[in-house]
Amino acid sequence: EAQVTQNPRYLITVTGKKLTVTCSQNMNHEYMSWYRQDPGLGLRQIYYSMNVEVTDKGDVPEGYKVSRKEKRNFPLILESPSPNQTSLYFCASSPWDADTQYFGPGTRLTVL
Amino acid sequence: SQQGEEDPQALSIQEGENATMNCSYKTSINNLQWYRQNSGRGLVHLILIRSNEREKHSGRLRVTLDTSKKSSSLLITASRAADTASYFCATDAGGANSKLTFGKGITLSVRP
Repeated sequence: EAQVTQNPRYLITVTGKKLTVTCSQNMNHEYMSWYRQDPGLGLRQIYYSMNVEVTDKGDVPEGYKVSRKEKRNFPLILESPSPNQTSLYFCASSPWDADTQYFGPGTRLTVL
Repeated sequence: SQQGEEDPQALSIQEGENATMNCSYKTSINNLQWYRQNSGRGLVHLILIRSNEREKHSGRLRVTLDTSKKSSSLLITASRAADTASYFCATDAGGANSKLTFGKGITLSVRP
């Protein structure tokens, strides 16, 4: 089944404890992106990647890192999480020549 | 930065009625897309309309685009209880980053 998977789906952590949220797609898509969703703010892009080893900042990149060593994986790294990073995170992917994006199921992160 | 602004913020209708949701945006776009999000789940792409198109249909969905007014509407005909969800418009300005800029969403409740 073609899909975007994220792990973990739920995570409660404490301030300053490094964490990684994984994202994987099995559709051979070139483009991948991370969004965060907050009440009243909709979805905002954090980082995106046009292809392997090509990443760039979105609208709200502060406090996050990403890497794209393989085409299928696009992990989101929070080196030192803070409570304002408590949010619902979505990974998305699409082929380079398509406009629509396929979203993962989301990761609900709580930073205490 | 937020681009799409949906209207109304919340809509409650009876099953069988039509639901109309509106989206306005500020800058030029390559295309506009509508997504649905069931509670706590990932976003699912519904329909895409390009800047040179005025109307598109997909099943019970009808989307219109007025680039002179920078607005779009999504009509769901003969609504069902299963249509209960949040709906987001997302604009794609084109260019290298296939970033979608999302509105804050409309919460649609369809009463059985």
